[in-house]
Amino acid sequence: SYELTQPPSVSVSPGQTASIVCSGDKLGDKYVTWYRQKSGQSPVLVIYKDDKRPSGIPDRISGSNSGNTATLTIAGTQSLDEGDYFCQAWDTDTAVFGGGTKLTVL
Amino acid sequence: EERLVESGGKLVQPGGSLRLSCVASGFPFSSYALTWVRRAPGKGLEWVSAISGGGDRPYYADSVKGRFTVSRDKSSNSLFLQMNRLRVEDTAVYYCTKGDGVLPDNDYLETWGQGTMVVVSS
Repeated sequence: SYELTQPPSVSVSPGQTASIVCSGDKLGDKYVTWYRQKSGQSPVLVIYKDDKRPSGIPDRISGSNSGNTATLTIAGTQSLDEGDYFCQAWDTDTAVFGGGTKLTVL
Repeated sequence: EERLVESGGKLVQPGGSLRLSCVASGFPFSSYALTWVRRAPGKGLEWVSAISGGGDRPYYADSVKGRFTVSRDKSSNSLFLQMNRLRVEDTAVYYCTKGDGVLPDNDYLETWGQGTMVVVSS
C-alpha cells in the first residue's frame, strides 16, 4: 500500500519560516492536500491540489510538490500556526494520510 | 453555510456493532462525495471510507473493508457508517467530511464536522 512520510515534529521561532515535508514514491505525479488540526478542534484544509489556498488561508502559507517530496511552507510563523499538519494523497481508490507533523512555535 | 453534524458515537464492546450518522446542510447533497476520516488517540488522521454523490460507489480503507459499510440517504441529507465486528483499534473520533466533487477520487476535504467519539472496550 502507498505510504506518505512526514517528520514527527518541526520547531520554529516566531517570525521565521517553517517547512514541513511529505515524502512518497512519485508523489509529484499525484495531487497533495494539506490539513491542519489544532488540539480539540476539527481539521482544516490549508492547501489543495499541491499549491492552491482555500479562502481564508493567508498567502504566507504555500505548498509545492515535485519528484518524491511535497512541502508546506509557512512564512512569518505565528503562534496561531501551531498544530498538527497532515499531508494527503490518493492512490488507487484509496486516500492516504501522512503520519502528521507537530508544528511548535517556540 | 455548509454544515456537517455527526452522531452515534458511544462505548461498545469488541465484536459489537455501531451506526454513525451525519446530517448535511448548506449544499446540494447529491452533488458531492462524502467521506469518513478518523483519528485515534495519540495517532494521526486515517481515511476510512467514502461514497460518491449518487451513492452508487463506495470506497473503503483496507483496515475496515468487509466490516464497515458506508451509505447515504438523499431524503434526509444523511451519511451513515455501519460498523460491525468492532475492534479496540477502531477507537477514535470519527469525522464526516465533504469533498469538492461528485466522486472522492483525487478530492480534497473542504468541510468537516465536529466529530463523534467511538470507544471500543470491554
